[in-house]
Amino acid sequence: NAGVTQTPKFRILKIGQSMTLQCTQDMNHNYMYWYRQDPGMGLKLIYYSVGAGITDKGEVPNGYNVSRSTTEDFPLRLELAAPSQTSVYFCASSSDPPNYEQYFGPGTRLTVT
Amino acid sequence: AQTVTQSQPEMSVQEAETVTLSCTYDTSESDYYLFWYKQPPSRQMILVIRQEAYKQQNATENRFSVNFQKAAKSFSLKISDSQLGDAAMYFCAYNPGNTGKLIFGQGTTLQVKP
Repeated sequence: NAGVTQTPKFRILKIGQSMTLQCTQDMNHNYMYWYRQDPGMGLKLIYYSVGAGITDKGEVPNGYNVSRSTTEDFPLRLELAAPSQTSVYFCASSSDPPNYEQYFGPGTRLTVT
Repeated sequence: AQTVTQSQPEMSVQEAETVTLSCTYDTSESDYYLFWYKQPPSRQMILVIRQEAYKQQNATENRFSVNFQKAAKSFSLKISDSQLGDAAMYFCAYNPGNTGKLIFGQGTTLQVKP
């Protein structure tokens, strides 16, 4: 069982470039999440999904887009990268309620210069 | 708005001793979940302990236990017999229980001295 995997581990983008952060889970979880963690801070929710084809905004969705075409995959798209998007990005998944334990991927460190 | 506050940016403890990390939260919900996550330098988020708000009994996982005070909206983590491997950043998190979304505190960095 790989759990939650994320690619890439590190990435440097130039301002205005776009990229997709990949996230895959093999636990057949319906719920998936994207968080960002700025230096010295807690995680903030960007987007989440409660199943294939269903996504919704979290606390900080501006500048990002998501899609969920399969149960396993939940990619995060950054359009027109800005320095404010420099952060560590975590993907997580959880099974259906009431067990809300979230399993996290190893994170992607993104720098926008 | 629901918020989570960790008022201790940094804490230190001597190896084998006990330390308590504080967390308070603000909510109008009556049913919810609370978590403590550990983030070592590897960056991996690791679940330490979970508490359901409807349970009066405090959760315990080996050397880790919580003091859950629902009326005071307080959720502290006690680490007993601290070990060098406990050194990490610890996050308190709140889940309102309907979508699974987590709201995190700012974190407490725990240093363990040998």
